[in-house]
Amino acid sequence: ILNVEQSPQSLHVQEGDSTNFTCSFPSSNFYALHWYRWETAKSPEALFVMTLNGDEKKKGRISATLNTKEGYSYLYIKGSQPEDSATYLCAFNWDRGSTLGRLYFGRGTQLTVWP
Amino acid sequence: DTAVSQTPKYLVTQMGNDKSIKCEQNLGHDTMYWYKQDSKKFLKIMFSYNNKELIINETVPNRFSPKSPDKAHLNLHINSLELGDSAVYFCASTPFGGAQKSSYNEQFFGPGTRLTVL
Repeated sequence: ILNVEQSPQSLHVQEGDSTNFTCSFPSSNFYALHWYRWETAKSPEALFVMTLNGDEKKKGRISATLNTKEGYSYLYIKGSQPEDSATYLCAFNWDRGSTLGRLYFGRGTQLTVWP
Repeated sequence: DTAVSQTPKYLVTQMGNDKSIKCEQNLGHDTMYWYKQDSKKFLKIMFSYNNKELIINETVPNRFSPKSPDKAHLNLHINSLELGDSAVYFCASTPFGGAQKSSYNEQFFGPGTRLTVL
């Protein structure tokens, strides 16, 4: 069983606060790590795909880092806004032959930003 | 321009009925998926097709049968619906093809179909 763990499960912050959360995944046979943003009543949308150890990606106030050797990725949101409220999912690609196309999702971190 | 579309968006039906959910993608992707969102919002993969060929078949009751008439469509047929089948079902697609190390397979999700079994 391949586990992708995310923490915390939920997070409540004030508007303007910066926040971060963690995704842990197996460090062996790594292929790629994805972050998705999932707003209530919508469908998940890809934020980042990271493939190399040390990768850093940024999109506006949101950024992510990747450590494939120790098996974790951080997602940072700088100056959170109410519109950032969503569930943030990470998903892991395992480099094992025919399972390569499959994403193993974590359970997500539910972020609520209060005005 | 809808990239991944699902119909219907809502489906309310009686226990024991047979129903289908359709998914279409106009992105030219090779691989399509069905996910079930459980009550805790966890996405569980059910099936994956690559160019009309089944490549992932998770532990799903036999009442669920996917069908891919072409690589742009992946439909989900459910026989003898049960109360526990009530969930949101998401279709997704990716340019990734089978076991090839091609693009990093970002998945594009459809809007979901909320199935309610009474």
